[in-house]
Amino acid sequence: DAGVIQSPRHEVTEMGQEVTLRCKPISGHNSLFWYRQTMMRGLELLIYFNNNVPIDDSGMPEDRFSAKMPNASFSTLKIQPSEPRDSAVYFCASTLGTSGSNEQFFGPGTRLTVL
Amino acid sequence: KQEVTQIPAALSVPEGENLVLNCSFTDSAIYNLQWFRQDPGKGLTSLLLIQSSQREQTSGRLNASLDKSSGRSTLYIAASQPGDSATYLCAVTGNFNKFYFGSGTKLNVKP
Repeated sequence: DAGVIQSPRHEVTEMGQEVTLRCKPISGHNSLFWYRQTMMRGLELLIYFNNNVPIDDSGMPEDRFSAKMPNASFSTLKIQPSEPRDSAVYFCASTLGTSGSNEQFFGPGTRLTVL
Repeated sequence: KQEVTQIPAALSVPEGENLVLNCSFTDSAIYNLQWFRQDPGKGLTSLLLIQSSQREQTSGRLNASLDKSSGRSTLYIAASQPGDSATYLCAVTGNFNKFYFGSGTKLNVKP
């Protein structure tokens, strides 16, 4: 398996633009997580899905952020409009099951820079 | 709310030394604890996963222990090498598969 796949790897955009980050989880995994990592705040969980359904979005910072999972093999995280403080590395991760007993696998991340 | 703390924040050791990284958590009601490695500009790589019913896990030169009742875990690295230089993060899993991460320990192993 290729592991968790994220695209793009790097994104540079201007303030006010819409940004869409993409993730393909490991085949067969039914839980998907979006994280944001910054120097100041470390790694933060934004939202997670189980069987394509959002379970906990309490980490989503503002209404400018939205996430979807239309099917088991694809998820998007959208920021509209983007702001400079959104600059961070965004990670997607997946795991099998909901019991918390399984290993979580991370993608390589998308480095977002908002000018 | 679960709080995960890692001490020290940074560590520099000479090659060959054995070392211990510490992780503590405030809520003992966890499903598992996972140690990750992150290289600069890269994603997280899982090193060891300890289920809540286990006391330790070993992989090569790495040994992780878990004392759930006291809210502590340690990652022991034997005979450290320059290639071990990275940031090490621990994470605990709570209800609904929610992960809580520590802020990491940045390790530098000097040749």
